[in-house]
Amino acid sequence: GDSVTQMEGPVTLSEEAFLTINCTYTATGYPSLFWYVQYPGEGLQLLLKATKADDKGSNKGFEATYRKETTSFHLEKGSVQVSDSAVYFCALKIGAFGGGSEKLVFGKGTKLTVNP
Amino acid sequence: EPEVTQTPSHQVTQMGQEVILRCVPISNHLYFYWYRQILGQKVEFLVSFYNNEISEKSEIFDDQFSVERPDGSNFTLKIRSTKLEDSAMYFCASSSWAARLQSSYNSPLHFGNGTRLTVT
Repeated sequence: GDSVTQMEGPVTLSEEAFLTINCTYTATGYPSLFWYVQYPGEGLQLLLKATKADDKGSNKGFEATYRKETTSFHLEKGSVQVSDSAVYFCALKIGAFGGGSEKLVFGKGTKLTVNP
Repeated sequence: EPEVTQTPSHQVTQMGQEVILRCVPISNHLYFYWYRQILGQKVEFLVSFYNNEISEKSEIFDDQFSVERPDGSNFTLKIRSTKLEDSAMYFCASSSWAARLQSSYNSPLHFGNGTRLTVT
């Protein structure tokens, strides 16, 4: 079945450090890929997305590139801030050509703590 | 910015009791969802709902679960007889008609803050 695997957390970094959170996926169709973020006490928010191979999603300094050859969608940020402390979720949704589905398939989430 | 709101934020109930989790989706959204996350596990899809009926459900969503949009603004998840393993964070989400039509199925879902359900 379709699944998403994220690197295990928690991740603790100092401010201005480089961030990578690894995400790989298994999908039967042609998925769209997403990163969601959950700040403390809040719901899941869409951070960025990519809908086809080699697309790069970006938002708030975060980037992720859809790599079909390695089935990966790693999240990166060049210089993290304390305000980036949150839980990050990688997710996929099977696209229309794969039969389509309503559901997002999530990874377990990676908790990031950024210290000043 | 419009938000999805969920109440209560934390619900404690005894095993075997019925519980209703409430959500108010964004007002012009037409697609509604429930997800849950058992502590330490993945966020899992439960059900999607459109035009007053379930459009898709997971194998988790068995006969103990039901959803309803009773009054045009609320969207509820009912668990008829709770089990210990139903303890989880339950997230409601909604998405818009325009987003849903995108052929690449990349419609963004707007999530609420969740209801933490504890079954004792």
